[in-house]
Amino acid sequence: RKEVEQDPGPFNVPEGATVAFNCTYSNSASQSFFWYRQDCRKEPKLLMSVYSSGNEDGRFTAQLNRASQYISLLIRDSKLSDSATYLCVVKPSGTYKYIFGTGTRLKVLA
Amino acid sequence: DVKVTQSSRYLVKRTGEKVFLECVQDMDHENMFWYRQDPGLGLRLIYFSYDVKMKEKGDIPEGYSVSREKKERFSLILESASTNQTSMYLCASSPDRFEQYFGPGTRLTVT
Repeated sequence: RKEVEQDPGPFNVPEGATVAFNCTYSNSASQSFFWYRQDCRKEPKLLMSVYSSGNEDGRFTAQLNRASQYISLLIRDSKLSDSATYLCVVKPSGTYKYIFGTGTRLKVLA
Repeated sequence: DVKVTQSSRYLVKRTGEKVFLECVQDMDHENMFWYRQDPGLGLRLIYFSYDVKMKEKGDIPEGYSVSREKKERFSLILESASTNQTSMYLCASSPDRFEQYFGPGTRLTVT
């Protein structure tokens, strides 16, 4: 079983739709959680950190469920510019390492 | 804004050559990382460093070495490049326990 698992997609959604991605992790000692966005042939860029109480940044909402060991990302009112690959990242406690999922590809269609 | 720069965006090398990839960050971060990214495999950690002259192997260190002589600079060395090292190489830095910031990547082709 992979340490961090994501549905690769692609998720094809129309503009204005709401879309949600989940990411599951296997290490219960995981301490920090992040969502990154990666455009084609570019570097990953931090979208948002994920806090225990859940957090929102504009159209984006991230949630953490420690009991079930998953994090989620909700995008409301999708824009064409949201088309990208979304990477789930988990950092276990007691280590310097970050564990990356292989990403979920989103295509927002006009 | 955090800035992480990498010495080359594109690089073409021949099999057997020694290759140096340089990474510089300007935010005084303790931790620096080298990854490679291949389609379907995601980002895989090659080496990381948590302090000057300190380094630890990641998940795929074979065929690579690193050097960190100054806090802001982390170099990846391919001792003898092989075709299976053709990949996108990404450098990242982070303050302790927090998010990582990535450089623009170096797309290396070994022929």
